[in-house]
Amino acid sequence: DAGVIQSPRHEVTEMGQEVTLRCKPISGHDYLFWYRQTMMRGLELLIYFNNNVPIDDSGMPEDRFSAKMPNASFSTLKIQPSEPRDSAVYFCASSLGLALDEQYFGPGTRLTVT
Amino acid sequence: GDSVTQMEGPVTLSEEAFLTINCTYTATGYPSLFWYVQYPGEGLQLLLKATKADDKGSNKGFEATYRKETTSFHLEKGSVQVSDSAVYFCALTERNYGQNFVFGPGTRLSVLP
Repeated sequence: DAGVIQSPRHEVTEMGQEVTLRCKPISGHDYLFWYRQTMMRGLELLIYFNNNVPIDDSGMPEDRFSAKMPNASFSTLKIQPSEPRDSAVYFCASSLGLALDEQYFGPGTRLTVT
Repeated sequence: GDSVTQMEGPVTLSEEAFLTINCTYTATGYPSLFWYVQYPGEGLQLLLKATKADDKGSNKGFEATYRKETTSFHLEKGSVQVSDSAVYFCALTERNYGQNFVFGPGTRLSVLP
């Protein structure tokens, strides 16, 4: 298995632009998680899905952020409009169960908003 | 709320040196504790875990003991290698099946030959 796949690996955009990050989970995994990693706040859980349904989005910082999972093999995290403080590394993870130690992390997308 | 504190990095060691990365936590209940490792260009990987007080997690020569009395879970390795160069994250969950995942800020380790 190729593991969790994220694209793009690096994204540089200007403030105000829309940014879409993509994730392909491991086949057969029922849970998908989006995390954000910053120097100031460390690694934070933004949202997670179970069987393509968003279960907990309490970590989403504000309405500019949205996440979708249209099918079992694809998820997106969208920021519209983007701001410099959104610059971070965004990780996607997937798992069979909800436990932290069951999650497989993707390599991350490094987002820079100028 | 729950939190995890790690020693600030970067930590630079020579090959075969002894490693300690400190981790302390605050939690309202009885958390499970984890260490994750992130190699350059890769996602986080579970290194070891402990689910109750006095448990010792171990993997690849790394060890950490769950100390409830000091709310600590320090990572140790007796002899580091260049290949251990990575970022190490301490983390906790209040329940192993819950969504309350709390990570520390990470400690970057560089091992020189």
